Amino acid sequence: KAGVTQTPRYLIKTRGQQVTLSCSPISGHRSVSWYQQTPGQGLQFLFEYFSETQRNKGNFPGRFSGRQFSNSRSEMNVSTLELGDSALYLCASSLGTVLTDTQYFGPGTRLTVL
Amino acid sequence: AQKVTQAQTEISVVEKEDVTLDCVYETRDTTYYLFWYKQPPSGELVFLIRRNSFDEQNEISGRYSWNFQKSTSSFNFTITASQVVDSAVYFCALSEGPGTASKLTFGTGTRLQVTL
Repeated sequence: KAGVTQTPRYLIKTRGQQVTLSCSPISGHRSVSWYQQTPGQGLQFLFEYFSETQRNKGNFPGRFSGRQFSNSRSEMNVSTLELGDSALYLCASSLGTVLTDTQYFGPGTRLTVL
Repeated sequence: AQKVTQAQTEISVVEKEDVTLDCVYETRDTTYYLFWYKQPPSGELVFLIRRNSFDEQNEISGRYSWNFQKSTSSFNFTITASQVVDSAVYFCALSEGPGTASKLTFGTGTRLQVTL
């Protein structure tokens, strides 16, 4: 089975711009979660989508948004980029319906904001 | 609020040594799940093990073993006979609430350096 894929792997943007990151889950997985990883704050949960609906949300400003498509692929959007948004953005997929579910992570998208 | 503490920031060992990574967690949930993930330099988080709160049986899987103790809220991970390929950052994580483990709270990670 193919793993979780994320595109692009690297991005460089400037302050004020917006960016869209994409995540394709493992086949059969219906839940996609997004995490931000920075040296200062570590790994932080952004949000989770299941069956095209946001099911969980972390403590991030409204500039961070996402969506999920009918094929379970997910996109994350960050508007009005700030320097502090520079991070590794990790996507994880899981079945989403099993009590003892496990999240499997993609390779991440490294975003640099200049 | 849930919290995961990995007090060891960095550990250096020589190949073939055993190494234990510590993890202490806090949660008010009665049902929860604990995980260990490995992050090599490539950046991808690799799932290693999962343990349910209602199952304190400790297990060994190859060179990996873990010690889960609810009484001390600890979930320690041991690598036996470490290898250079084990060099990575290791994260302990806790799922929030019963049901699916879709929202993980991570510790700050322990960087393991295995040298020849």
